[in-house]
Amino acid sequence: NAGVTQTPKFQVLKTGQSMTLQCAQDMNHNSMYWYRQDPGMGLRLIYYSASEGTTDKGEVPNGYNVSRLNKREFSLRLESAAPSQTSVYFCASSGGPGPYGYTFGSGTRLTVV
Amino acid sequence: KQEVTQIPAALSVPEGENLVLNCSFTDSAIYNLQWFRQDPGKGLTSLLLIQSSQREQTSGRLNASLDKSSGRSTLYIAASQPGDSATYLCAVSGLGGGSQGNLIFGKGTKLSVKP
Repeated sequence: NAGVTQTPKFQVLKTGQSMTLQCAQDMNHNSMYWYRQDPGMGLRLIYYSASEGTTDKGEVPNGYNVSRLNKREFSLRLESAAPSQTSVYFCASSGGPGPYGYTFGSGTRLTVV
Repeated sequence: KQEVTQIPAALSVPEGENLVLNCSFTDSAIYNLQWFRQDPGKGLTSLLLIQSSQREQTSGRLNASLDKSSGRSTLYIAASQPGDSATYLCAVSGLGGGSQGNLIFGKGTKLSVKP
């Protein structure tokens, strides 16, 4: 009953450092997503993967890259972290684009100093 | 571009009161609408999913309605309890292909239920 698992839960980075946020789902979902949540801005889509082998930009992709490693795993990479990337990051999965509900992970709280 | 608005942004009620949270969206061409709950510092928990062909969904003390033509949904919470205190988020997924099928969120209503 794990659902969507994100690691790490917390991270502090210095400006310019790089890191990868990991996400895995065990529900055999086709689609996976990365969102960021900021006060006053709500949840915004960074990147998504409609199916294994595909990735596409969302609303706020600048400064990020993603990899759909296999059907289960979808990682988000920050190549050169900036203070503007301080946020809470959520991974989600769904059966596919459109009519399916989403399941979210518990989030990664990232601070860039 | 789809926009989702939730009113009010914050709500404080005494325990036991019935309450309604509102959600509106600008483009009625949606696949579904989903209500989530988020506790402070936590992830999102799905409460109810309403397909575009449905009018409402119920789970325990929660009832969500959908009026697609007017671009509105309401989440009704009966006999509120302090444990209901959280932020409630509304989100819709669109009918269009590509990124339009992804979930678009409102900014949420922060609910506080006082004992």
